[in-house]
Amino acid sequence: DSGVTQTPKHLITATGQRVTLRCSPRSGDLSVYWYQQSLDQGLQFLIQYYNGEERAKGNILERFSAQQFPDLHSELNLSSLELGDSALYFCASQKMGASYGYTFGSGTRLTVV
Amino acid sequence: GEDVEQSLFLSVREGDSSVINCTYTDSSSTYLYWYKQEPGAGLQLLTYIFSNMDMKQDQRLTVLLNKKDKHLSLRIADTQTGDSAIYFCAEKMDTDKLIFGTGTRLQVFP
Repeated sequence: DSGVTQTPKHLITATGQRVTLRCSPRSGDLSVYWYQQSLDQGLQFLIQYYNGEERAKGNILERFSAQQFPDLHSELNLSSLELGDSALYFCASQKMGASYGYTFGSGTRLTVV
Repeated sequence: GEDVEQSLFLSVREGDSSVINCTYTDSSSTYLYWYKQEPGAGLQLLTYIFSNMDMKQDQRLTVLLNKKDKHLSLRIADTQTGDSAIYFCAEKMDTDKLIFGTGTRLQVFP
């Protein structure tokens, strides 16, 4: 157990639907990062939050949004889902400025049918 | 751009050494990392190197950094079947976000 908790582990939904992925960072970690891993795109950075504030944004679609709450957990909202959104979505957390990199959760596998 | 390049596949015999290579883009990156991903699992941090170092050794793992060529490598000595996984290098950008390479799938055969 890495200490980063992601729920649900698996999600199957239809095109056009909306889903919410949840992430609880390691205790004491203020930074949360979301990544998308698909077969042909590798690991793509989506968005970063630090202590509730958005800090950096990657190639995140307008249909996707995220937020970090006062208790530091984060949610990634995916709407108007398309088949191409099927992927593994990872959350990672880190103490800001630390050298030792991120700690990853085990991911949420989203399948859009 | 922010492309970090790795070769896609590497196949080695058990007991041999494996060398996984990575070319990164940002010469100002302060830290570079190697992560391991086993099937169905998240990414696990293996090791990292600070940009002012040339080499770092950690048990069976040796990281070499050529900052001039922006080249990073991971050597795994005495490779075991349990080392079969996808290996990602990553560079740390100024906002603390990590940019990951494309991943190298290491297959170890007996």
